[in-house]
Amino acid sequence: GQQVMQIPQYQHVQEGEDFTTYCNSSTTLSNIQWYKQRPGGHPVFLIQLVKSGEVKKQKRLTFQFGEAKKNSSLHITATQTTDVGTYFCAALTDNYGQNFVFGPGTRLSVLP
Amino acid sequence: NAGVTQTPKFRILKIGQSMTLQCAQDMNHNYMYWYRQDPGMGLKLIYYSVGAGITDKGEVPNGYNVSRSTTEDFPLRLELAAPSQTSVYFCASTVTGGYTEAFFGQGTRLTVV
Repeated sequence: GQQVMQIPQYQHVQEGEDFTTYCNSSTTLSNIQWYKQRPGGHPVFLIQLVKSGEVKKQKRLTFQFGEAKKNSSLHITATQTTDVGTYFCAALTDNYGQNFVFGPGTRLSVLP
Repeated sequence: NAGVTQTPKFRILKIGQSMTLQCAQDMNHNYMYWYRQDPGMGLKLIYYSVGAGITDKGEVPNGYNVSRSTTEDFPLRLELAAPSQTSVYFCASTVTGGYTEAFFGQGTRLTVV
């Protein structure tokens, strides 16, 4: 079945440094979603990307969808301690759009 | 508007016991999902439902059962609890499957001893 991979698995940064996580699929994706999960919390939706080459920004967060729609990235500029958590990408697993699979996530820790 | 509500928040079960994890949503979403998340890991799909009366298996359905008699409720049943089922369980719902954002409940932390 559909699988999405994420790298890196962990990232430790100093506050103020940038951070990027990558999501990769072996097959072309209809869309991709990104979620953030704070420690002890539940996943919270951040964004959805649909178009090839799409770029969306949310304040310090920049999301990209690859031209071939097989990969995506999330970049955080000048990390803050509030960015701590695990970032997941999620992609559809079937042609009917009924369910989606989550990548393993990238756990970000930010040292003050 | 409560969103997705899960009960209980925490539970300790003995091996072989049974329990039902409750999930309810008040957003009139047709699609509902159950995921489990093991420590430090991602989310694995257990079961999902595209509407009342319709359910289907996800990636890791063994040891679980679901029902969907109403749009609002999607309970998850563990029949014979095993230590391997120790995990955090999340229920989620969406308007149109994987094409719209998923709303997650707060999770149920289950320990089987």
